This record gives sequence, structure tokens and C-alpha cells, in this order.
Amino acid sequence: SYVLTQPPAVSVAPGQTARVTCEGDNIGVKSVHWYQQRPGQAPVVFIYQDTNRPSGIPDRISGSNSGNMATLTINRVDAGDEADYYCHVWDSDRSRPVFGGGTKLTVL
Amino acid sequence: QVHLVESGGGLVKPGGSLRLSCAASGFAFSDYYMTWIRQAPGKGLEWVSHISTAGLIISYADSVKGRFTISRDNAYNSLDLEMNRLRAEDTAIYYCARSRITSSGWDPYDYWGQGTLVTVSS
Repeated sequence: SYVLTQPPAVSVAPGQTARVTCEGDNIGVKSVHWYQQRPGQAPVVFIYQDTNRPSGIPDRISGSNSGNMATLTINRVDAGDEADYYCHVWDSDRSRPVFGGGTKLTVL
Repeated sequence: QVHLVESGGGLVKPGGSLRLSCAASGFAFSDYYMTWIRQAPGKGLEWVSHISTAGLIISYADSVKGRFTISRDNAYNSLDLEMNRLRAEDTAIYYCARSRITSSGWDPYDYWGQGTLVTVSS
């Protein structure tokens, strides 16, 4: 089955850039969605179809996808960005969705 | 305003059964695939099952296949998950979420419920 690998944790100082990666076999040909989940809350779409931001998501948030890696980039990080982030793709071979294991972003 | 509200969670003994429901409002329910996704305490997201718009296509994760049954009633805008032979490892928050297939592929899960907690313990 298709596997998505994320680093368990990423730490970054306020004002710096955070990059959360999602690794998968030839993931660049798939459409990647990202979710943000704050403690005690349901996940929320953060980036969809590799690079698109839902309304209300600021433009300091971006996504990219190429080769074997998709990346969620958060510029000018602040304390409000502390959350868990999950990538998600559709596994066409098994006709089912797959989630990455999640990355906890900590703002130092 | 789109709303998804889960109910039916609770404490159940191993081997027991539980039925979860998800009440949908604020959108054309019959136009969307509906999905159950769970999250064990302190763990990541795990897809459980989904059902197509008319209920003709149903899929389950291997971990629940043969024990869980998903169903929907488009007349009542409701989604259910019948869970049998429950195990300790089924303990999780269960979310319902909606998505669609478009010409661009699968849309994300753009709306989620608040979740309902299922605890399987003796």
C-alpha cells in the first residue's frame, strides 16, 4: 500500500520559515492536500491540490509537490501556527485515501 | 452553513457494538462522498470507511473490514457507522467528513464534524 512519511516534529523560531515535508513514491504525480489540526479540534484544510489555499488561509502559507516530496511552507511563523499538520493523497491502486503520520510544529 | 454533527460514541466493552451517526446540514448531502476518519489518543489520522453519493461504492480499511458497516440515508441527510466486535485498538475519536470527486481528482475533506469519542475498555 502507498505510504506517506512525515517528520514527527519540526521546530522553528518566531519569524522564521517552517517547512513540513511529506515523502511518498512519485508523489509528484498525485494531488496532495494538507490539514492543520489544533489541540482538541478537528482538522482543517490548509492547502489543497498541492498549492491552493482555501479562503481565509494567508498567503504566507504555500505548498509544493515534485518528485518524491511534497512540502508545506509557512513563512513568518508565529505562535498561532503551532499545530499538527497532516498530508493526504488518494491511493489510486487501492482506491482509498492515505494520510501521513503527522508533524507537530513547535514555535520556539 | 455546513454542519456535520457526530453522535453515538461512548464506553463499550471489548466485543461489544456501537452505532455512530453523523447528521449533515447546510449542503446538498447527496452530492458528496461521506467518510469516517478516526484518531486514536495522541495518534494520527486513520481513514476508516467511505460511501459514495448513492451508496453504491463502499470501502473499508483492512483494520475494520468485516466488523464495521457504513450506510447513508440521503432522504434524512444522515451517515451511520455500525461497529461490531469492538477491540481496544478501536478506541479513538471518530470524525465524519465530506469530499467529492471532480475532473481534477479527489477534493480534500473540506468539512469535518467535531468528532465523537469511542472508548473500548473492560
